[in-house]
Amino acid sequence: AQSVTQPDIHITVSEGASLELRCNYSYGATPYLFWYVQSPGQGLQLLLKYFSGDTLVQGIKGFEAEFKRSQSSFNLRKPSVHWSDAAEYFCAVGAYTNAGKSTFGDGTTLTVKP
Amino acid sequence: NAGVTQTPKFQVLKTGQSMTLQCAQDMNHNSMYWYRQDPGMGLRLIYYSASEGTTDKGEVPNGYNVSRLNKREFSLRLESAAPSQTSVYFCASGLAVSYEQYFGPGTRLTVT
Repeated sequence: AQSVTQPDIHITVSEGASLELRCNYSYGATPYLFWYVQSPGQGLQLLLKYFSGDTLVQGIKGFEAEFKRSQSSFNLRKPSVHWSDAAEYFCAVGAYTNAGKSTFGDGTTLTVKP
Repeated sequence: NAGVTQTPKFQVLKTGQSMTLQCAQDMNHNSMYWYRQDPGMGLRLIYYSASEGTTDKGEVPNGYNVSRLNKREFSLRLESAAPSQTSVYFCASGLAVSYEQYFGPGTRLTVT
């Protein structure tokens, strides 16, 4: 069965600082990997996705993520955080054999200090 | 395009009451999903529909039923609400082939 771990429940960074959110997955073959963002009171919005090919993927809002098979990781990064990035971030893994269903991590809450 | 819409946005029920949460998408997606979100527990899949006419149980189906009315609509029914069903419910849709999902704004349900 596939699973996702987001080791950090809560992260605080200063505005303008760089950001890295960690995600580790467990799956026997090459997974489909996603990052979603949820602003307070809103639904989830897709930031970026990895299916195959280039292991560094670019997403919306200046985010990027790198797939590292050897570490079973898919960490999300942003070089300079803006106050509007404060939100909850979810990593998810899907698999072809799982018929379109994704498994979500428990989320990481990002606080941005002025 | 409205994307994924959910009604109602908020609902308060008494224990034992029933209700149906409605979800519709206008993106011509085959797959639709119902999740619940509880603090510290991420999203948990309740039910899933790969296509019109098919439904499948997810991780936490007990106490819920679903209907895939047509390609656009996927409803979630609570037959006899319990306080443990207090949660935020999200509907999502997607093209199974790509697995990315598009979420509605959620329904905040409180059962007293």
